[in-house]
Amino acid sequence: EAGVAQSPRYKIIEKRQSVAFWCNPISGHATLYWYQQILGQGPKLLIQFQNNGVVDDSQLPKDRFSAERLKGVDSTLKIQPAKLEDSAVYLCASSLEPIQGPELYGYTFGSGTRLTVV
Amino acid sequence: SQQGEEDPQALSIQEGENATMNCSYKTSINNLQWYRQNSGRGLVHLILIRSNEREKHSGRLRVTLDTSKKSSSLLITASRAADTASYFCATSPTSNTGKLIFGQGTTLQVKP
Repeated sequence: EAGVAQSPRYKIIEKRQSVAFWCNPISGHATLYWYQQILGQGPKLLIQFQNNGVVDDSQLPKDRFSAERLKGVDSTLKIQPAKLEDSAVYLCASSLEPIQGPELYGYTFGSGTRLTVV
Repeated sequence: SQQGEEDPQALSIQEGENATMNCSYKTSINNLQWYRQNSGRGLVHLILIRSNEREKHSGRLRVTLDTSKKSSSLLITASRAADTASYFCATSPTSNTGKLIFGQGTTLQVKP
């Protein structure tokens, strides 16, 4: 089974520029999550999708971050404009369904995109 | 906000020794999961323990859960150099829909 695919692996941008990350979850996984992991910390949920609908975006800084999941498959996360404190690894994860998926199998994470804002 | 607190933050042991990591959390949970993260990589799911379970084993891993103390421990027996990684506990709170809340992690170094 193919894993969760993310691109790019690395990105360096200047502050105030914009950037976008892409995630392709495991086929058939209805639920998709974007997490932000700052160096030395645990991942923090930014947004959770169920198919193409948003379930939880309470910790997404909506003044600069946006995310979409068109057609309930691939997802993109965008930052515009970026700040220095956005430097982090952005992780995408998927599960079969919100309750039974993590209950039975946990999440499957992609390798992440490491963003450096200079 | 982060739910889990992990202890110790860093652990260094010799190959063959056992490694124990602890996790405390704040709210009621459906389950608690442990993940491993190698440097620069994504997280890998290790083991899940439900709120009505007290202990679970998987290979060299042993997880305990004490819901009265809101704490869990992960024991890795007979550690290997390849176990060197960061380990995170993650809780699935009863109040929501599959979201996981991660702790700060324990960095384990196993010296050959």
